[in-house]
Amino acid sequence: GESVGLHLPTLSVQEGDNSIINCAYSNSASDYFIWYKQESGKGPQFIIDIRSNMDKRQGQRVTVLLNKTVKHLSLQIAATQPGDSAVYFCAETFFGNEKLTFGTGTRLTIIP
Amino acid sequence: EPEVTQTPSHQVTQMGQEVILRCVPISNHLYFYWYRQILGQKVEFLVSFYNNEISEKSEIFDDQFSVERPDGSNFTLKIRSTKLEDSAMYFCASRPAGQGDTEAFFGQGTRLTVV
Repeated sequence: GESVGLHLPTLSVQEGDNSIINCAYSNSASDYFIWYKQESGKGPQFIIDIRSNMDKRQGQRVTVLLNKTVKHLSLQIAATQPGDSAVYFCAETFFGNEKLTFGTGTRLTIIP
Repeated sequence: EPEVTQTPSHQVTQMGQEVILRCVPISNHLYFYWYRQILGQKVEFLVSFYNNEISEKSEIFDDQFSVERPDGSNFTLKIRSTKLEDSAMYFCASRPAGQGDTEAFFGQGTRLTVV
């Protein structure tokens, strides 16, 4: 079946460095993608989203890149801080669909 | 900043008992959801609710589960006869008008432990 998956389950990055978290999706009908951050014991927190008519979107210290040709999504976090340590999930959906389909998650650890 | 609130934060129940998980979505939102996350696994969709009825549900959401919006603010998930495998974090989420292309806001979750 269709699924969303992540290439790397864990990632450790030195504080101040940039990090990149990757996600592969397989549902070609998906046209809206979201990155969520989940800290221990908390619910998913919205970071940034992107629609399929775009290939890049920037926020504060975060950038999402979408490559529809290879069905790949990435989250770049610049100048990482200890507070960036969390599990990051990509999620996909499409217009007219009710639900989000989440990927497995990548645990990002920022090393002080 | 408006947020989705869930109670209780942690619920322990005996197998076979009924539990009700409660949520107060963001007030001007129209779409409501329940998701669950078994420890160490990904977040899974359970059910969506719009216009006072279920609009979509997953295979997980069998006849042991039900949802209700008893008044203008609360949104509940009931599990009639809990099983050990129902132990998980349950997240409520809500979204404003519009389908598929707006973010969902999640609550902090209720940790359900079935013993």
